Amino acid sequence: GEDVEQSLFLSVREGDSSVINCTYTDSSSTYLYWYKQEPGAGLQLLTYIFSNMDMKQDQRLTVLLNKKDKHLSLRIADTQTGDSAIYFCASVTGSSNTGKLIFGQGTTLQVKP
Amino acid sequence: DTAVSQTPKYLVTQMGNDKSIKCEQNLGHDTMYWYKQDSKKFLKIMFSYNNKELIINETVPNRFSPKSPDKAHLNLHINSLELGDSAVYFCASSQDLTGGEQFFGPGTRLTVL
Repeated sequence: GEDVEQSLFLSVREGDSSVINCTYTDSSSTYLYWYKQEPGAGLQLLTYIFSNMDMKQDQRLTVLLNKKDKHLSLRIADTQTGDSAIYFCASVTGSSNTGKLIFGQGTTLQVKP
Repeated sequence: DTAVSQTPKYLVTQMGNDKSIKCEQNLGHDTMYWYKQDSKKFLKIMFSYNNKELIINETVPNRFSPKSPDKAHLNLHINSLELGDSAVYFCASSQDLTGGEQFFGPGTRLTVL
C-alpha cells in the first residue's frame, strides 16, 4: 500500500543548513507536501511540489523531488531556533481521487544555539 | 479571519460519554477531512467529504459519525467514548479531491478519562 517514510530526528546548529529527507512508495503521487508542527500547535503548510517538478524554492526553503527514486527533501537554509519543530512529509495520490494525505512519521528538528 | 477553525480546542470527558467536535472553513473549498494524530504524533486520515458527500471512511469504528450540513462545515460526533480515542483530531480542507493546498485547523485535543 501507500507508505511515506522519514527519519525521526535531526539536530543542527543555528545558522547551518538542515536537510530533512522523505521517501514514498506510491509512484502515482501527484502532490508532495511539507508541513511544520510546533509543540502543542496545528499543522502549518510550508510548501508543496507537483510531481512534474524537480525543485521548488521559497525563501529559505528548497524542496527537491527525485521521482525515479521516490525521494523528497526539504532544505532549510540558515536554520534558526524558531525552526525547531516536527516536519511532516505527505503525499496525495491522483489515482484514488480522494484527496487524502498519507503522512510520514515526522522528523523532529532540534536547532541548537 | 481564520481559514479552518475547530471547536473546542480541548475536550476532557469520561469513558462512555458522547461528544462532538465542530469544524468550519471559510475558504470556499469543496473538500473537507478529519485526521487523527495519536500520542506518537502519527497522522492518519479518518474521513473525507466532497460537496457534503462522504468520500472516504478509513475503517473508522462506527462510533464516529461525521456530518456535513453544508460545504463549509464538517462535524465529528463520537459515541461511547473509549480511552483509545484520546488523541488530537484535525480538520482540514482543500479546493477539491485532486490535491493542491490542504489547510489544517488548529486541532482538538481529546482526553478520555
